Amino acid sequence: LAKTTQPISMDSYEGQEVNITCSHNNIATNDYITWYQQFPSQGPRFIIQGYKTKVTNEVASLFIPADRKSSTLSLPRVSLSDTAVYYCLGSDSNYQLIWGAGTKLIIKP
Amino acid sequence: DADVTQTPRNRITKTGKRIMLECSQTKGHDRMYWYRQDPGLGLRLIYYSFDVKDINKGEISDGYSVSRQAQAKFSLSLESAIPNQTALYFCATSDPQGSYNEQFFGPGTRLTVL
Repeated sequence: LAKTTQPISMDSYEGQEVNITCSHNNIATNDYITWYQQFPSQGPRFIIQGYKTKVTNEVASLFIPADRKSSTLSLPRVSLSDTAVYYCLGSDSNYQLIWGAGTKLIIKP
Repeated sequence: DADVTQTPRNRITKTGKRIMLECSQTKGHDRMYWYRQDPGLGLRLIYYSFDVKDINKGEISDGYSVSRQAQAKFSLSLESAIPNQTALYFCATSDPQGSYNEQFFGPGTRLTVL
């Protein structure tokens, strides 16, 4: 049974780098791993997506090891506005979507 | 994302009532999804549709039905609402030319069943 597991909550301070790791069990070997950000009373918003190794865009980096059993979202130099819930998303061998339960990130001044 | 709209944004109804939540999109995407979100449980897929003639059950379809009236419209119905269907409901779309894991969400409908 495919499953994605992530920490329930994390906190950090402004200016720090934050890493959120998601563990994947039995996810498809040939599909993307995707991360989303959600603010209260809004829908989730796509942040970054990768297949393996490292992907970087203007807001985050995503590290995926060769075995794809985990992925780590890295947020550089966070600010108070990065306080949100972060979700990882994979899929199983039947391309069914497997969402993590979300990590509530709180950034302190 | 303003390209995906949901109506109503908030709804309070009573047990046993039938209710419809509507989703419209201007992104031109063929794929559309309905999710439910409960505190601490993340997102759970109710139904999804890859085109107008395609409807598929998700993880928690019991008690729900959907209608794909057009490429741009995907409606979710609760046949006979019950209190444990109180939740935040999201519609999403994805582009078949891209990864279906890259989804675009509407603002959500907060439903309360009394």
